Amino acid sequence: KQEVTQIPAALSVPEGENLVLNCSFTDSAIYNLQWFRQDPGKGLTSLLLIQSSQREQTSGRLNASLDKSSGRSTLYIAASQPGDSATYLCAVRRAGANNLFFGTGTRLTVIP
Amino acid sequence: DVKVTQSSRYLVKRTGEKVFLECVQDMDHENMFWYRQDPGLGLRLIYFSYDVKMKEKGDIPEGYSVSREKKERFSLILESASTNQTSMYLCASSLFIQETQYFGPGTRLLVL
Repeated sequence: KQEVTQIPAALSVPEGENLVLNCSFTDSAIYNLQWFRQDPGKGLTSLLLIQSSQREQTSGRLNASLDKSSGRSTLYIAASQPGDSATYLCAVRRAGANNLFFGTGTRLTVIP
Repeated sequence: DVKVTQSSRYLVKRTGEKVFLECVQDMDHENMFWYRQDPGLGLRLIYFSYDVKMKEKGDIPEGYSVSREKKERFSLILESASTNQTSMYLCASSLFIQETQYFGPGTRLLVL
């Protein structure tokens, strides 16, 4: 069974800092990996989706990388802002499977 | 923009009650999903549906059933609510089964 781990569980950084969030998964036979953002008490918003054949995806200040062979993905946030404060979740879809396997998230706080 | 709505943001029910959670999407998506989210456990898939009247069990279907009579609507049913079903319930939809999922705002259910 696919297990997805996100470390650290919480992270605080000063505004303007660049930061990296980590996601690791146990089964490298994945179809794609998705990063989500969740604000307190709210649903999930999709940020980036990386197909297994891709190495990275970028959207604005966000860059997600994927290293399938080592079972790792990172989400890089440039020039962090207080509005980036949220919980960031990664989710992996195994090849041939219909469901996503989620990590438990990293709660990010950007301090003004 | 894709919009996924859930009928209630907060619900309080008694043990043994039958509970209906409704989800509606407006983008003609084939696939719809129900997850529950619990602290330390992340999101776990309860059921998903890939077409009207079609459903498949996810990782934790026990104690739940679903109904999809129309393409845009996917209902989660707790036949006899129990306290261990107190949780945040999230609905999602996607056009293709292995592509980006779009989430609703969630329903926080408390079973007393």
